[in-house]
Amino acid sequence: DAMVIQNPRYQVTQFGKPVTLSCSQTLNHNVMYWYQQKSSQAPKLLFHYYDKDFNNEADTPDNFQSRRPNTSFCFLDIRSPGLGDAAMYLCATSRDSGSNEQFFGPGTRLTVL
Amino acid sequence: DQQVKQNSPSLSVQEGRISILNCDYTNSMFDYFLWYKKYPAEGPTFLISISSIKDKNEDGRFTVFLNKSAKHLSLHIVPSQPGDSAVYFCAATTSYDKVIFGPGTSLSVIP
Repeated sequence: DAMVIQNPRYQVTQFGKPVTLSCSQTLNHNVMYWYQQKSSQAPKLLFHYYDKDFNNEADTPDNFQSRRPNTSFCFLDIRSPGLGDAAMYLCATSRDSGSNEQFFGPGTRLTVL
Repeated sequence: DQQVKQNSPSLSVQEGRISILNCDYTNSMFDYFLWYKKYPAEGPTFLISISSIKDKNEDGRFTVFLNKSAKHLSLHIVPSQPGDSAVYFCAATTSYDKVIFGPGTSLSVIP
């Protein structure tokens, strides 16, 4: 089945220790997204890639970076995680941007100690 | 500044009855609206959408209504089933722009 896979599902890191979250897709979609979702809040877009074109949201902290080495994979790097970065991180894909539905992975729950 | 609002964090409905989930938006430029459903430990999945040129879209037990003048949309589930218990996110976008999500409404359907 075509899908969006996120690894790991649960990640524990220490305050200030860099962490990388990964996402892969078998849908061959052009667009990949990273969202941050905190409890009872709306998913908040951090980055998206249209193919290799990188788009950074204006309010995404500099502490967050992303890489998309190929169509199938996308990574979220948190350089120095703080307690406020503990959240669910959702990866999503869409065939195109805008109105097309997005397909989400199961998310990675990040805990910062 | 929330552009998409879901003012009811939770809703409980008896099995077989109608569930009505509401969503309000502030940006009059939005022209496409989506509902996503999320079970625990899973990512959101697309449920139904509506373009601003329509005022109603129906898919089986799910119907979305759009009132552009009021900047309001609603999702109706009839009849509600226990398997519909989930968090429902309303989302809005303009063509070829990012999707803005609401904070979600947790629906519990009681057998």
